[in-house]
Amino acid sequence: EAGVAQSPRYKIIEKRQSVAFWCNPISGHATLYWYQQILGQGPKLLIQFQNNGVVDDSQLPKDRFSAERLKGVDSTLKIQPAKLEDSAVYLCASSLEWRGTGEFFGPGTRLTVL
Amino acid sequence: KQEVTQIPAALSVPEGENLVLNCSFTDSAIYNLQWFRQDPGKGLTSLLLIQSSQREQTSGRLNASLDKSSGRSTLYIAASQPGDSATYLCAVRGGAGGTSYGKLTFGQGTILTVHP
Repeated sequence: EAGVAQSPRYKIIEKRQSVAFWCNPISGHATLYWYQQILGQGPKLLIQFQNNGVVDDSQLPKDRFSAERLKGVDSTLKIQPAKLEDSAVYLCASSLEWRGTGEFFGPGTRLTVL
Repeated sequence: KQEVTQIPAALSVPEGENLVLNCSFTDSAIYNLQWFRQDPGKGLTSLLLIQSSQREQTSGRLNASLDKSSGRSTLYIAASQPGDSATYLCAVRGGAGGTSYGKLTFGQGTILTVHP
């Protein structure tokens, strides 16, 4: 079974630039999550999709972050414009459903904002 | 708001030792608790998942316990090996009636180093 795929793996940008991350979840997984992990901290949920609908985006900085899930499969997370404090690893995860079965995580995208 | 704390923040042990990692959470209304492993530059791998009705789960040399009423979980690693070196993360999923329903809240992790 193929795992969760993410690209790019690494990205370096200057502040105020824009950046986008892509995630392809495990086939058949209805729930998709984006997490932000700042160095030395645990991951923090940014947004959760159930199929192509948003279930929870309470911790997403909506003035600069946006996310969509196309046709309930792939997802993109965008930051525009980026700030220094956005430097982090962005993890995508998917699960069959939102509870009970556990999430499978992708390798993450390491973003450095200079 | 659910808060998850892990102790210790870092641990260095010689190969072969048995060790315990601790996790505590503030809101006992949880659906389940998971222990993850994270290797540098890689994503998270789920090690053990304990449903709120369970007391413990075992997988090989790993044993995780859950005391929901006191808001605590421990991860026991037997006969540690250098390959166990990684960051271990505890995460709880909020249950019905709780402050973080359906949401997975992580601790900050314990960095484990097992030296030969």
